[in-house]
Amino acid sequence: ELKVEQNPLFLSMQEGKNYTIYCNYSTTSDRLYWYRQDPGKSLESLFVLLSNGAVKQEGRLMASLDTKARLSTLHITAAVHDLSATYFCAVEGTYKYIFGTGTRLKVLA
Amino acid sequence: KAGVTQTPRYLIKTRGQQVTLSCSPISGHRSVSWYQQTPGQGLQFLFEYFSETQRNKGNFPGRFSGRQFSNSRSEMNVSTLELGDSALYLCASSLAQGVNEQFFGPGTRLTVL
Repeated sequence: ELKVEQNPLFLSMQEGKNYTIYCNYSTTSDRLYWYRQDPGKSLESLFVLLSNGAVKQEGRLMASLDTKARLSTLHITAAVHDLSATYFCAVEGTYKYIFGTGTRLKVLA
Repeated sequence: KAGVTQTPRYLIKTRGQQVTLSCSPISGHRSVSWYQQTPGQGLQFLFEYFSETQRNKGNFPGRFSGRQFSNSRSEMNVSTLELGDSALYLCASSLAQGVNEQFFGPGTRLTVL
């Protein structure tokens, strides 16, 4: 059974600091997605990672995928308050997507 | 291009009732997936439809069912509602070929009293 774990579950960080969110999954997959969810809102697609070694960057966020280690990371550079949200990774299985537990990020001014 | 739409946005029901939620995917998207989101269980996969066929189903009781129409619109039904069914129900659509990036609708907030 495909399982996806994220850590940390909660992250409180100061503006300007860097941090990394980790996403581990249990079975072979080379398709991984990152989403952002603001309170009371739906999910917004951030990154699509389709192969081993894939790296995508958008603003202060950078995502990477290591399919051999079954690990994806979401790196936050010089955090700003607007990045406060919950971040989910999702791994594509056979006709389904399994989501991680989510990481609730709070950036403090 | 219009996004994924879901109706209704909010719903209040009582235990024992049934409910039907609707999802219209992005034009051209043929795959529709449904998820239940709760604070305790997170985002859980309910089912996926493609060309009117259910291709996969999550670990939910038979009270949860769905269908997809020829225009790719989808509905999900929950019968004999329980308090624990209170959740945000999210629908997502994708092309189902090539990159299967999912795009989510705004969700339906179901409250069971």
